[in-house]
Amino acid sequence: EADIYQTPRYLVIGTGKKITLECSQTMGHDKMYWYQQDPGMELHLIHYSYGVNSTEKGDLSSESTVSRIRTEHFPLTLESARPSHTSQYLCASSERQGPYEQYFGPGTRLTVT
Amino acid sequence: SQQGEEDPQALSIQEGENATMNCSYKTSINNLQWYRQNSGRGLVHLILIRSNEREKHSGRLRVTLDTSKKSSSLLITASRAADTASYFCATSPWGTYKYIFGTGTRLKVLA
Repeated sequence: EADIYQTPRYLVIGTGKKITLECSQTMGHDKMYWYQQDPGMELHLIHYSYGVNSTEKGDLSSESTVSRIRTEHFPLTLESARPSHTSQYLCASSERQGPYEQYFGPGTRLTVT
Repeated sequence: SQQGEEDPQALSIQEGENATMNCSYKTSINNLQWYRQNSGRGLVHLILIRSNEREKHSGRLRVTLDTSKKSSSLLITASRAADTASYFCATSPWGTYKYIFGTGTRLKVLA
């Protein structure tokens, strides 16, 4: 089992609410990633970070924002949730040197009503 | 789209049979990786093959890579019901640390 954690696992929230999805890893990995995945579909990279104070937008346009103040913590925030944000959000991390394997958290399944 | 494509989209086989799934991609890559995902949970890394390798084995898994065709295949031998899952290939394009995931193959192994 990978040492990467996501909370909450499930979240049902009303339109317009602000939410933060938490992701933490204890492996000391510099690189961290957020993916969005609809049921039965491929993963889309929405944000990534190469280290503290480094964040980049991914290939899929997203209204979310991220921060990387500590190596182990990479939270994702939606300022105003909408039904179109309903999806599964997966956090992952990997070592600094080389594009090696990614370790994934269990995911947060978000439903916006 | 930068996404890779996998085929078949879905595969149903009997326990003990071999399962083969294919992945095609569009850019030059550092390496190609295969992941398994059970029931919409997080992905688990299975195997990595570098761009200068042609074949790699790990237990019941065999991966091939053809960079001239920009394609890879994953073979699972002697499948088990526990192999039922979705399988994704992921490529890391040259010069980046990003990963581009394929569309996935949903494998069902019948006991």
